[in-house]
Amino acid sequence: AQSVTQPDIHITVSEGASLELRCNYSYGATPYLFWYVQSPGQGLQLLLKYFSGDTLVQGIKGFEAEFKRSQSSFNLRKPSVHWSDAAEYFCATTTGNQFYFGTGTSLTVIP
Amino acid sequence: NAGVTQTPKFQVLKTGQSMTLQCAQDMNHEYMSWYRQDPGMGLRLIHYSVGAGITDQGEVPNGYNVSRSTTEDFPLRLLSAAPSQTSVYFCASSYDRATHEQYFGPGTRLTVT
Repeated sequence: AQSVTQPDIHITVSEGASLELRCNYSYGATPYLFWYVQSPGQGLQLLLKYFSGDTLVQGIKGFEAEFKRSQSSFNLRKPSVHWSDAAEYFCATTTGNQFYFGTGTSLTVIP
Repeated sequence: NAGVTQTPKFQVLKTGQSMTLQCAQDMNHEYMSWYRQDPGMGLRLIHYSVGAGITDQGEVPNGYNVSRSTTEDFPLRLLSAAPSQTSVYFCASSYDRATHEQYFGPGTRLTVT
């Protein structure tokens, strides 16, 4: 069965520092992969998605992610974090009918 | 264009009570889904629908019913509430299946005592 794993439950970074959130997927073929962000008390918003093609995908709010088949990873990155990026981040994959979400990584940004 | 709306925002139920969580979208999306979010477990799919009149079970369907009589509405029914159903519930929709962007509602926080 398809699944994604987010090994980091919580990450703290300083404002202006770079960020990388890890996501590992489990699927033999090329998976559909997504990153969503959830601000406190809100629903989820799509940051970016990967279906095929260029393995480096750009998203909203300055985020990017790189698909690495050799490592079964789809890590989310941002070169310079802003205080407003503090949120919960979810990696997800889909079979086409069903979505499977990771357990999330909570990001704290310190001044 | 309101997007995906959910009512109520908060609800407290007693064990054994039933209720319906409402979800509506005005984007003419074919695919709609319900998730529950629990601490440390991410979002888990309860039920989904690929179009009016078509529903199917997700990962955690027990204790929940759905129907899809129109494209716009996708209510989630709790048949006999249990404390294990205390959670935050999210409805989402997308243009088709799950390969396109899902738009999420603001959520319903349900407590069962």
